[in-house]
Amino acid sequence: GNSVTQMEGPVTLSEEAFLTINCTYTATGYPSLFWYVQYPGEGLQLLLKATKADDKGSNKGFEATYRKETTSFHLEKGSVQVSDSAVYFCALSSSDSSYKLIFGSGTRLLVRP
Amino acid sequence: SQTIHQWPATLVQPVGSPLSLECTVEGTSNPNLYWYRQAAGRGLQLLFYSVGIGQISSEVPQNLSASRPQDRQFILSSKKLLLSDSGFYLCAWGTGLTEQFFGPGTRLTVL
Repeated sequence: GNSVTQMEGPVTLSEEAFLTINCTYTATGYPSLFWYVQYPGEGLQLLLKATKADDKGSNKGFEATYRKETTSFHLEKGSVQVSDSAVYFCALSSSDSSYKLIFGSGTRLLVRP
Repeated sequence: SQTIHQWPATLVQPVGSPLSLECTVEGTSNPNLYWYRQAAGRGLQLLFYSVGIGQISSEVPQNLSASRPQDRQFILSSKKLLLSDSGFYLCAWGTGLTEQFFGPGTRLTVL
C-alpha cells in the first residue's frame, strides 16, 4: 500500500543554516506529493506541492523536487529563520476515488537565534 | 475564496459524555470532506471521509461516527467519549487529486 517515511525529529538548527528534511514514499501509480507545515496550536497549511516527476514545488524559500527514480521528495531551504520553527509533514495523494492524503509522521524543526 | 470553519476550538469533556464537532466549508461545491485526528506529538490519522451528502467512509474502527447532512457540512460525533479520544481533530476539504485544505482544528481533552 501507499506510505510515506520522514526523517525522525526534532531537527535543531541555528538561524541561517541550511535545512533538509528527507521524505521517501511508496505508492502505486503516480501520486501528487505535498509538504504541509503546522505551527503550534494550528491546523496544517500547504507549503508546496508537485504533481508529476521532476516537478519542483517552491514557496517561501522552501523547495522540493519530485524524484520518481528515488521515490523521494526532500524539503530544502537555504537559510532558515526562527519563524520557520514548526512541524513539517510530507504527504502523498491516494490514487483511488477517495483522494485521501497519506501523511508521514512529521518532523519538528526548531530554529535557534 | 474558500474557507473552512471548525467549532468549537477547544473542548473539555468527561469520560462517557457525548461529542459533536462541526465543520463547514464555504466557497466551493461538492467537496470531498475529511476528518483527521492528531494525538499529542504524533502524525495524522484519517478517521472518516465523504465524497457526497450522506456518503461516509470509515478508515478505522472506533468510538466515533461521522455524518454529512449537507453538501458543505461534516459532523464528527460520539455517544460516549473515552480517554483515548483526546486529541486534535482536523477537518479538511479537497476536490480531487490535489491538495487538501485544513481547518483550524478542535482540541479535545477527555477527563
